[in-house]
Amino acid sequence: GNSVTQMEGPVTLSEEAFLTINCTYTATGYPSLFWYVQYPGEGLQLLLKATKADDKGSNKGFEATYRKETTSFHLEKGSVQVSDSAVYFCALSRVSGGSYIPTFGRGTSLIVHP
Amino acid sequence: DAGVTQSPTHLIKTRGQQVTLRCSPKSGHDTVSWYQQALGQGPQFIFQYYEEEERQRGNFPDRFSGHQYPNYSSELNVNALLLGDSALYLCASSLSSGGKLFFGSGTQLSVL
Repeated sequence: GNSVTQMEGPVTLSEEAFLTINCTYTATGYPSLFWYVQYPGEGLQLLLKATKADDKGSNKGFEATYRKETTSFHLEKGSVQVSDSAVYFCALSRVSGGSYIPTFGRGTSLIVHP
Repeated sequence: DAGVTQSPTHLIKTRGQQVTLRCSPKSGHDTVSWYQQALGQGPQFIFQYYEEEERQRGNFPDRFSGHQYPNYSSELNVNALLLGDSALYLCASSLSSGGKLFFGSGTQLSVL
């Protein structure tokens, strides 16, 4: 079946450090890939997505590239801020019965210190 | 424009009881999905409602049931609560034609 594996957290960084959160997936066919972010006390928000191999999704300084050969979708940011502290979820989406149903990873907590 | 709203925000129940959680989708959205997020885990898909019918279902027992009303709002019902049902329950809305999911802030259910 479909599954998503993320690196364990928490990831603790100083402000302006470089961020990488690893994500690999297992899926049949060619799923779309997503990163969601969950700030404390809030629901999930879509951060970025990529729908086919070699696509790069980007938003708010975050980037991730759909790598079919390594089945990966690692999240990167060149310079993190304290406000980026949140839980990040990698997800893939399959079409089922005409609708997209996402499968989420366990989430990686990011803590950024001033 | 209000986003996805869920009620209540927190709920405490005891084993064996029944619970109903409510969700109002983002304005203009006609499809509602429910997710269970256990502590330290990612959200797990429970089911999706469209046109007042269950369209897709995840790997959850029949104790979990739902409803969608003509105004697209939705309820999640859980019967015979177990300790393991303690989790954050998230509602997400979208358009039936596809597109971005919008999540509510969730209902934190504690089963004692």
